[in-house]
Amino acid sequence: NAGVTQTPKFRILKIGQSMTLQCTQDMNHNYMYWYRQDPGMGLKLIYYSVGAGITDKGEVPNGYNVSRSTTEDFPLRLELAAPSQTSVYFCASSYETGLDYEQYFGPGTRLTVT
Amino acid sequence: GESVGLHLPTLSVQEGDNSIINCAYSNSASDYFIWYKQESGKGPQFIIDIRSNMDKRQGQRVTVLLNKTVKHLSLQIAATQPGDSAVYFCAENDTGFQKLVFGTGTRLLVSP
Repeated sequence: NAGVTQTPKFRILKIGQSMTLQCTQDMNHNYMYWYRQDPGMGLKLIYYSVGAGITDKGEVPNGYNVSRSTTEDFPLRLELAAPSQTSVYFCASSYETGLDYEQYFGPGTRLTVT
Repeated sequence: GESVGLHLPTLSVQEGDNSIINCAYSNSASDYFIWYKQESGKGPQFIIDIRSNMDKRQGQRVTVLLNKTVKHLSLQIAATQPGDSAVYFCAENDTGFQKLVFGTGTRLLVSP
């Protein structure tokens, strides 16, 4: 299993541009998440999904959109990029069972908006 | 809102020492806690977890202690190695729905 994969690894955007961060998992997890991590800080939840076709906002959803058309993919869309969106973005997934909440993380996408 | 925080932002130890990383949480209703390790340039990696009906759980060279009375969580790493150098995050579940709230993190620096 490749686990959780993210593309691209790095990206530089100009203010006002848009882009999609890709996330794919091959563990058949129903739950998927998007986080951002600012320098020296913890992870903030942007959006999450409990299954295909179902998404919900996390702590910091403004400026982002998501979709979940398949179990495997959970892309994050940035419209009208702003410098405040400069961050490292992590995608994660987890099992549906309530026995544990361990989330498996991808390697991250480092985004700079200038 | 509920929050999870850490007492020490940076912990420096010598190789072979035991390390203790602390974490305070504020949501007394949280029933699950987890520690992650994040190496530079990588995503967080699971270390160990504990449910609120336990006080202690041991893994390989790591132990997590939970004190619900004072809402305190700690991660103990035995015989710390240079490869343990990383940022360590504690996290708690949010309203029992597999939404984790992460703390700021503690950087562990291990000197040879």
